[in-house]
Amino acid sequence: GQQVMQIPQYQHVQEGEDFTTYCNSSTTLSNIQWYKQRPGGHPVFLIQLVKSGEVKKQKRLTFQFGEAKKNSSLHITATQTTDVGTYFCARMYSGGGADGLTFGKGTHLIIQP
Amino acid sequence: SQTIHQWPATLVQPVGSPLSLECTVEGTSNPNLYWYRQAAGRGLQLLFYSVGIGQISSEVPQNLSASRPQDRQFILSSKKLLLSDSGFYLCARRGLAWDEQFFGPGTRLTVL
Repeated sequence: GQQVMQIPQYQHVQEGEDFTTYCNSSTTLSNIQWYKQRPGGHPVFLIQLVKSGEVKKQKRLTFQFGEAKKNSSLHITATQTTDVGTYFCARMYSGGGADGLTFGKGTHLIIQP
Repeated sequence: SQTIHQWPATLVQPVGSPLSLECTVEGTSNPNLYWYRQAAGRGLQLLFYSVGIGQISSEVPQNLSASRPQDRQFILSSKKLLLSDSGFYLCARRGLAWDEQFFGPGTRLTVL
């Protein structure tokens, strides 16, 4: 019920190719957050989506929230070596007054120059 | 500043030994604080959260415990480490704008 499923687990792309990771939930999400974790580093917040059908852009990154608020995607156009890392989606932990986030397992982006 | 400090950065401990990881935060008083663990292939798992001094909630039953002796100090402990406790332990605070999590640099724990 609380989990978010993320695919693919790994994605190899050539530098300059596009990349997309998908996040799915069996239940409606109040919001969805995206994080990036560089190799050896800690996760860094990228964005939060709240509205049904919302689309937000950050330079080459495009984030979408599904109309039913059960799925989300992150798309990177023309990948660069600086995009290497693991991208996580996360939902607010809910139920019983709990706090914090439930994370997907992440998509590891590997870029071949 | 909303800087989060964690120490040690890396730690190698034998099975059965105790553990104490410390997290301190700067900036806003009475922050919501969290402990996450990142084990290989399992993503980030919420372990504990705290909304104030002495207030700890556990999300996953295990041999770990947490304490918050001061407003900006959050400690993760264990009396006897297991091999399965190995992982990357991240302290986080709740953001003010988006309820996002700001993570500290983390502690890499290896239990041998």
